[in-house]
Amino acid sequence: QLHLQESGPGLVKPSETLSLTCTVSGGSISSIDYYWGWIRQPPGKGLEWIGSFYYSGNTYYNPSLKSRVTISVDTSKNQFSLKLSSVTAADTAVYYCARIVRDGLCYFDFWGQGTLVTVSS
Amino acid sequence: QTVVTQEPSFSVSPGGTVTLTCALSSGSVSTSYYPSWYQQTPGQAPRTLIYSTNTRSSGVPDRFSGSILGNKAALTITGAQADDECDYYCVLYMGSGSWVFGGGTKLTVL
Repeated sequence: QLHLQESGPGLVKPSETLSLTCTVSGGSISSIDYYWGWIRQPPGKGLEWIGSFYYSGNTYYNPSLKSRVTISVDTSKNQFSLKLSSVTAADTAVYYCARIVRDGLCYFDFWGQGTLVTVSS
Repeated sequence: QTVVTQEPSFSVSPGGTVTLTCALSSGSVSTSYYPSWYQQTPGQAPRTLIYSTNTRSSGVPDRFSGSILGNKAALTITGAQADDECDYYCVLYMGSGSWVFGGGTKLTVL
C-alpha cells in the first residue's frame, strides 16, 4: 500500500525558507504513471495546489507562487522536497504531499496526512 | 489567473439529494479538464470521491456521482447521510502539469 509522509520544521520565521520533505513508501516516484505534488491549506481555508513534478525532471508550479517555490527530487531515497522562500504569515498552512495519476485521468489519488507549518517570529 | 468557483455552503435534509457545482471564471468546464472531487472532514487529508468527471474512486458509495451540468462540473449526492456533512472540493486539470482547486463547499446535513 502506498504511503506518503511529510516531514520538516513546524515553525519557520518570517522571511526565511520553508523546507519540507515527502517520503514515499510502497511505490516509486520514478514511475512513468504518476506526477507527484504539493498542496497546502491555510487554517480554516481551502486547498491550494503548489506544484508538481514528473520523473523526467519536469516541474510545474502555481503561477501565484512560482517565484518562491522549488520542488526537488531524490530518487535514491524515494523522496521529494518543497522549498518556499521569503515566507510570511500567509504561508501558514497544513502542507500535503500527494500522488497524481496521469494518462487522461489527472487526479490526486493518494495523500499524505499533512503537516502544519506556522510562520511566526 | 484561473479561478474555480464552488458554492461556499449548501444544506440538504437527511435522505435528500444535493448537487454541488464547480465553475470556471472563464469558459465552460468540460471533460477535458478531468474534473475530480474530494471529500474532507476536519483534521483529515482529502479523500478522492470522483475522478475524470464521473468515475467513482474505489470504495465510494454509488450515491455519489459526477457529471457535467451545463457549463459546470457537478457532484450529486443522493440519499444524503449525516456523515456526508463535511467539505467538498473540485479540482480541474489545466494542462501542462498544473491544477486548480475550487474554494470548497461546506455541506450541512440537517
